[in-house]
Amino acid sequence: GQQLNQSPQSMFIQEGEDVSMNCTSSSIFNTWLWYKQDPGEGPVLLIALYKAGELTSNGRLTAQFGITRKDSFLNISASIPSDVGIYFCAGQVFSGSARQLTFGSGTQLTVLP
Amino acid sequence: EPEVTQTPSHQVTQMGQEVILRCVPISNHLYFYWYRQILGQKVEFLVSFYNNEISEKSEIFDDQFSVERPDGSNFTLKIRSTKLEDSAMYFCASRGLLAGGIEQYFGPGTRLTVT
Repeated sequence: GQQLNQSPQSMFIQEGEDVSMNCTSSSIFNTWLWYKQDPGEGPVLLIALYKAGELTSNGRLTAQFGITRKDSFLNISASIPSDVGIYFCAGQVFSGSARQLTFGSGTQLTVLP
Repeated sequence: EPEVTQTPSHQVTQMGQEVILRCVPISNHLYFYWYRQILGQKVEFLVSFYNNEISEKSEIFDDQFSVERPDGSNFTLKIRSTKLEDSAMYFCASRGLLAGGIEQYFGPGTRLTVT
């Protein structure tokens, strides 16, 4: 099956700093989505990217869909304590109507005061 | 804001027992999914469901698993004879046709513990 490589695996940053994480794949995805997961809870959708080259913002979050359709990055600006959590990228391939998500392994973000 | 709900939040069962996990997807959504997440690992796709039938399933979704939409609101995942390795968080997700039909919204999950 398709694999997503997400990096870094974990990050420790100071409050107020900017953060960047990315996902790469050896195969093409039609869309990319970014989710945040808090402990014991379900993934919460942050940003959805629809086409190659797209750059989309949601508040302090910015995500881009790579031109090759094999990568995506997520930036968080001016981090705050509530940004703590695990961030997952997820890709979709439009083969059939299912459009199931393939998830990356996650980036654990810790924000230090 | 509409959301996906799941019950129970935590289920403890003995190996070999049957369990049914329940989900209420967002009301106007048409595509439904089950994913699982073993502790500390990534989220993995199990099955997708559309128009009252399975549209796609992963290799994890073997004969011990089944899904059903028994009425207009509930979507269930049944594990017929649980194994220790079935212990995981199980997430239901749903998708509509708006926003290009790509956005999947997840429920809070059911933690299944098989002893």
